[in-house]
Amino acid sequence: GAGVSQSPSNKVTEKGKDVELRCDPISGHTALYWYRQSLGQGLEFLIYFQGNSAPDKSGLPSDRFSAERTGGSVSTLTIQRTQQEDSAVYLCASSMAGGRTGELFFGEGSRLTVL
Amino acid sequence: SQQGEEDPQALSIQEGENATMNCSYKTSINNLQWYRQNSGRGLVHLILIRSNEREKHSGRLRVTLDTSKKSSSLLITASRAADTASYFCATPPLEGAQKLVFGQGTRLTINP
Repeated sequence: GAGVSQSPSNKVTEKGKDVELRCDPISGHTALYWYRQSLGQGLEFLIYFQGNSAPDKSGLPSDRFSAERTGGSVSTLTIQRTQQEDSAVYLCASSMAGGRTGELFFGEGSRLTVL
Repeated sequence: SQQGEEDPQALSIQEGENATMNCSYKTSINNLQWYRQNSGRGLVHLILIRSNEREKHSGRLRVTLDTSKKSSSLLITASRAADTASYFCATPPLEGAQKLVFGQGTRLTINP
């Protein structure tokens, strides 16, 4: 597709369940980011992938959060044993070369609600 | 801690007026970016200004950068109802991680 695609767009789950959020970046973009945005707040950095380099996981809030990027393209963010405070919009972005040199292209986000 | 912080947190003006938002940051940068987010949507890149630039224009947008004060401003001239959105500044650290760090944003409301 032409832009960054995220799925699902909305996910409602029960506390304690695991969820997987998917991101399809723009073809050819080597950098991929995950951010979290709570209601009315700014963006909280979670994780950054760049090519074949080790990901920057410094923003993951706990060991319940993990992410992988297969084949340098699609990425999956997994949240295990979800808690109510995990409720937020999870935004994925991709970039040609990383934020230091250029713009990020964002998907529409996955809205997660943990009951 | 936040690298970029926008001011004001919220701004409400009449259609046709100019809107000015400010951003302050803490560490040295090689560029600063502004993004817009319509309610319930993803972010859209507006403009990037490099550290060796002082001013940049794009349509009705004007961005300034003062590296000595570690601040930037975004001016939207002749505002329209469609400009209603949240506006974020974002800065990549000069060294280290490539991640863009975003501020809390300015919520702009244009009243018809």
